Amino acid sequence: KQEVTQIPAALSVPEGENLVLNCSFTDSAIYNLQWFRQDPGKGLTSLLLIQSSQREQTSGRLNASLDKSSGRSTLYIAASQPGDSATYLCAVGGFQKLVFGTGTRLLVSP
Amino acid sequence: GAVVSQHPSWVICKSGTSVKIECRSLDFQATTMFWYRQFPKQSLMLMATSNEGSKATYEQGVEKDKFLINHASLTLSTLTVTSAHPEDSSFYICSASATSGTAGELFFGEGSRLTVL
Repeated sequence: KQEVTQIPAALSVPEGENLVLNCSFTDSAIYNLQWFRQDPGKGLTSLLLIQSSQREQTSGRLNASLDKSSGRSTLYIAASQPGDSATYLCAVGGFQKLVFGTGTRLLVSP
Repeated sequence: GAVVSQHPSWVICKSGTSVKIECRSLDFQATTMFWYRQFPKQSLMLMATSNEGSKATYEQGVEKDKFLINHASLTLSTLTVTSAHPEDSSFYICSASATSGTAGELFFGEGSRLTVL
């Protein structure tokens, strides 16, 4: 059974800092890994999708890496802004199933 | 990105009534749709997977007769919570994929918050 863990559970940083969110999973037989953002009481916004054959994906200030063999992914956020405050979820895609991590609640203060 | 619309965004109902939540893919055909449930400050838990025209596949522990899922077209899936009780109060989120399974990117609806009194 796939288990996905995210560390840290919560993170508070001042504006401008670069930060790293971690995601680990137990079963390396995955199709893809996706990072999402969720604002309070809202649905999910897809940030980055990494296929199992890829090592990383970049979008603007976001960079996600994937090390399938070690069961790890990191989301790097450069020059954080207050608007980045949200819960970040990683989700591991297997066949017909997407397993979510517990999320990291990020607060970026001005 | 692709748009998935969920309706209603919130609903309050009395215990014992049934509630239907709709999930629509607005600008693509959704081969597969997924329904998730999220309790406060917890992650999303997959409830069921549905492919257009076939019966949904439910996760272990999810009651099929209580959470009825219909995926009658490539752009619409519905989740009906039958005889809702207070413990069914939760945030329900659907997602859609243009490809079978999870090989492709998933797009999520805005979620529906159900409160059962």
